[in-house]
Amino acid sequence: QQQVKQSPQSLIVQKGGISIINCAYENTAFDYFPWYQQFPGKGPALLIAIRPDVSEKKEGRFTISFNKSAKQFSLHIMDSQPGDSATYFCAAERETSGSRLTFGEGTQLTVNP
Amino acid sequence: EAGVAQSPRYKIIEKRQSVAFWCNPISGHATLYWYQQILGQGPKLLIQFQNNGVVDDSQLPKDRFSAERLKGVDSTLKIQPAKLEDSAVYLCASSLDRANTGELFFGEGSRLTVL
Repeated sequence: QQQVKQSPQSLIVQKGGISIINCAYENTAFDYFPWYQQFPGKGPALLIAIRPDVSEKKEGRFTISFNKSAKQFSLHIMDSQPGDSATYFCAAERETSGSRLTFGEGTQLTVNP
Repeated sequence: EAGVAQSPRYKIIEKRQSVAFWCNPISGHATLYWYQQILGQGPKLLIQFQNNGVVDDSQLPKDRFSAERLKGVDSTLKIQPAKLEDSAVYLCASSLDRANTGELFFGEGSRLTVL
């Protein structure tokens, strides 16, 4: 059962544009929603994360928007840069039970100069 | 601070052969994970250790995969015999403690090609 669905599969934006990646989850017990960034040949690295007690979290150019009723969350990258070109994974887990992190399928972002 | 170390980085084997991957987590991290990442997909958890005990191995194909974490530090993941569908990157990750932080620190992975 795919518990975290991510879209789009790939995304191309121009430098300075806004990149938006969406995720939907099924398990209402999930209480921790991170985004990981992965460059080719590297392991994923935590980018930003949110818990359901807030609807938005911003760190620099990266913002997570969270809609608990719709069971959806999204990553917004403002002023996208070529260096942001990477694969982005959303994930979810029930942190309080120490359960495993379930990843989405990933979005390959390309930012053209 | 040193990151998660994994070896080998690349391995090519024939089907039905065996292979082993090694992981050294960040010092002091109690929790260690092995993930399988098939090309074009997100990482899938194979096994989770808390110190040297197994917390979750529900998605580990136990007929061919095994893992251990002796002394609660280093870990090895073994595949025997390998199948074509085992071709993937095997990622090791660690975290301080699942109860205290959500951040996983990943190694660069071991890329396995099964011919």
